[in-house]
Amino acid sequence: EDQVTQSPEALRLQEGESSSLNCSYTVSGLRGLFWYRQDPGKGPEFLFTLYSAGEEKEKERLKATLTKKESFLHITAPKPEDSATYLCAVPIGWGYGGSQGNLIFGKGTKLSVKP
Amino acid sequence: EAQVTQNPRYLITVTGKKLTVTCSQNMNHEYMSWYRQDPGLGLRQIYYSMNVEVTDKGDVPEGYKVSRKEKRNFPLILESPSPNQTSLYFCASSSGGTQYFGPGTRLLVL
Repeated sequence: EDQVTQSPEALRLQEGESSSLNCSYTVSGLRGLFWYRQDPGKGPEFLFTLYSAGEEKEKERLKATLTKKESFLHITAPKPEDSATYLCAVPIGWGYGGSQGNLIFGKGTKLSVKP
Repeated sequence: EAQVTQNPRYLITVTGKKLTVTCSQNMNHEYMSWYRQDPGLGLRQIYYSMNVEVTDKGDVPEGYKVSRKEKRNFPLILESPSPNQTSLYFCASSSGGTQYFGPGTRLLVL
């Protein structure tokens, strides 16, 4: 069964305390993995797309990496404004023209960064 | 400004009263999708559309209908809402690897 599992469910950090969030997946023929950030009551905001094992992408204090079975979102020296729920998602199937088809989301990691 | 809009943002209705939640995007994207988000269950895909007149079921399509007559619009229809459809709904559109979400519609079915 296709599945996406995120851990931990919640993570509390002190400002400046680096850590990593995990997203493990079991899908046949991975065709991409997406990371999103979601603030309370708002729609998810796109962060990264990773397509192949070994790929890495960075944005400010965030770096996403991908292996054949999991992805990590590394947060370096986080700030309180990084507090949010971080979601990962994997497409099942792949439509023509690069569209995503059926998308499965993990349940997310709720990150809290205390000043 | 590139955006996905949804209307209404908040809706309280009663069981069995048909309703439509509209979704519109101004980015000329081919792909659009509807999700519902529930505590403990996360985001689950209801329906998606890869282009005009092309739609397919996601993980939780029961009780919902969609149509895609124009590229920019992708309405979600609840023909006979029930209390278990009380949820937070998001519309999204994408081209390639970037997916843009709308602000959400909070629906309460009494």
